[in-house]
Amino acid sequence: GAVVSQHPSWVICKSGTSVKIECRSLDFQATTMFWYRQFPKQSLMLMATSNEGSKATYEQGVEKDKFLINHASLTLSTLTVTSAHPEDSSFYICSAKRQGIQPQHFGDGTRLSIL
Amino acid sequence: GQNIDQPTEMTATEGAIVQINCTYQTSGFNGLFWYQQHAGEAPTFLSYNVLDGLEEKGRFSSFLSRSKGYSYLLLKELQMKDSASYLCAVLGGDYKLSFGAGTTVTVRA
Repeated sequence: GAVVSQHPSWVICKSGTSVKIECRSLDFQATTMFWYRQFPKQSLMLMATSNEGSKATYEQGVEKDKFLINHASLTLSTLTVTSAHPEDSSFYICSAKRQGIQPQHFGDGTRLSIL
Repeated sequence: GQNIDQPTEMTATEGAIVQINCTYQTSGFNGLFWYQQHAGEAPTFLSYNVLDGLEEKGRFSSFLSRSKGYSYLLLKELQMKDSASYLCAVLGGDYKLSFGAGTTVTVRA
């Protein structure tokens, strides 16, 4: 199997709050995890790639101080949206894959709404 | 940069066959994935092609032609539960996945 758990599913919070999203691979070791953002009826946009034990690689235009990523173990990566504002409201999805050319397996996503 | 094109919407009748085309122009190529995404949910993996030809997996098949930069996903014996968005994604030379905007398939009774 290849199950990825993402938590929480839904967050509603005030502007200025920091929000942490967890992504866990439940039944396999994920050497690489990815964080995506998706706007309604649009495709997934890669935000960053994280490898266990090393710093995340961010895509152009993504602020690394705004979106903090930690990949402390082979089964857990976290994304922290710091000082969130309404424009950060979106659907955030993580994925994880095994070593090598393997399919990415996605978590259920987190719907973030900043008021 | 990566350029991945697929139709926006398709409609078909229950029991029918639908073919979703995907054309791509990418920097390097390490394979093409198809994912299914139901509204409000995360994508689920359907298929992976890296060599030319047809890969069959139950009611779903995926085809690849690397020389033409072309793939299709074939859905047979359509069921109502197949109504979803289907995403074409290319693994580029940098081993990052680039997604198309998705094709929304609506299955009608």
